[in-house]
Amino acid sequence: AQSVSQHNHHVILSEAASLELGCNYSYGGTVNLFWYVQYPGQHLQLLLKYFSGDPLVKGIKGFEAEFIKSKFSFNLRKPSVQWSDTAEYFCAVWGSGNTGKLIFGQGTTLQVKP
Amino acid sequence: EPEVTQTPSHQVTQMGQEVILRCVPISNHLYFYWYRQILGQKVEFLVSFYNNEISEKSEIFDDQFSVERPDGSNFTLKIRSTKLEDSAMYFCASSRQGETEAFFGQGTRLTVV
Repeated sequence: AQSVSQHNHHVILSEAASLELGCNYSYGGTVNLFWYVQYPGQHLQLLLKYFSGDPLVKGIKGFEAEFIKSKFSFNLRKPSVQWSDTAEYFCAVWGSGNTGKLIFGQGTTLQVKP
Repeated sequence: EPEVTQTPSHQVTQMGQEVILRCVPISNHLYFYWYRQILGQKVEFLVSFYNNEISEKSEIFDDQFSVERPDGSNFTLKIRSTKLEDSAMYFCASSRQGETEAFFGQGTRLTVV
């Protein structure tokens, strides 16, 4: 069965620190990969996605993620976080052949201290 | 920017009661989904819906759950007889095509007491 694993459950950083959130998935076929963010009290919003092509994808608000097929990973990065990045971050995968099922990781709560 | 809207934002219900959670997907989208997130746990897939029928459902989506698209704009999730463990945040989502970006609503927090 497909699964998504996020390594960090709760991350606390100071402003301007660099961020890397790990995400690994288990699926042998073609995948579409996503990072969603959920700010406090708001809905899930798409940060970035990877379908094909350049494995380094850039998203909104300075986030980027790198797809490493050999490692089944899709880690999220940001060189310098801001207080406004405080949110919950979810990695998700959509495997080919699925008729409509995003598999989510357990989420990582990021707290940025001003 | 078009968005998925869900109502109500918060619903409290007594155990055993029926609840209907409502969603208005983005108008030109064809695929509709329900997910839920129990407090402190991951977002879990419940069901996907396409062409007026369920295309996939999880083991969570048992006989107590049903979905409907009654009028071409709304997409509802019904829980017939709620249990305490149904307490969760329920998210509706829609996408133009399968396997592409899904747009999520703000969620309905269901509390079963």
